[in-house]
Amino acid sequence: TQLLEQSPQFLSIQEGENLTVYCNSSSVFSSLQWYRQEPGEGPVLLVTVVTGGEVKKLKRLTFQFGDARKDSSLHITAAQPGDTGLYLCAGRDNYGQNFVFGPGTRLSVLP
Amino acid sequence: GAGVSQTPSNKVTEKGKYVELRCDPISGHTALYWYRQSLGQGPEFLIYFQGTGAADDSGLPNDRFFAVRPEGSVSTLKIQRTERGDSAVYLCASSLGAVSPLHFGNGTRLTVT
Repeated sequence: TQLLEQSPQFLSIQEGENLTVYCNSSSVFSSLQWYRQEPGEGPVLLVTVVTGGEVKKLKRLTFQFGDARKDSSLHITAAQPGDTGLYLCAGRDNYGQNFVFGPGTRLSVLP
Repeated sequence: GAGVSQTPSNKVTEKGKYVELRCDPISGHTALYWYRQSLGQGPEFLIYFQGTGAADDSGLPNDRFFAVRPEGSVSTLKIQRTERGDSAVYLCASSLGAVSPLHFGNGTRLTVT
């Protein structure tokens, strides 16, 4: 079974600060996705990264896939209260067709 | 357009009872997934359908759990003899295919008393 770890588990910052959260595994994934989940709702896809070393930018969010396709990071610039939520990474299982999720980083951005 | 719909949104049942959770995927999505999410944790894979057949059911915790998708659209997750440890949010997701992004519903919060 392929496992994903995420760090930190919790993060509380002030509006305007920058932050980085991490997703790590000992396994190689063919692709990796980042989702954000708000209370009472299902996760919503932010980005998919496929190529080792790939960097994708989505407004103030920058996603990077490690060269070995075992890890990824999400960097948020000038965080806003609307960024508050649970950030989940998910890797496509190489042995099956399902997606394996990490435990998430719970981000709180205080105004 | 309509997203993934899950009913009921909340279900409270007594220990030992049988429950059914329904998922109505996005029209045209051939892949359908069930996940279970406990408080403070990420979604845990249960089962994946490609069309009508269960392509991977390795995440079902035991034989009390069963899921069907008879016509390749709506899916029902069935739990027999519920236990308090089954309490969680059950999430359904659909996608266009095995390598496409997942579109999640808002989940069914199951509470077993």
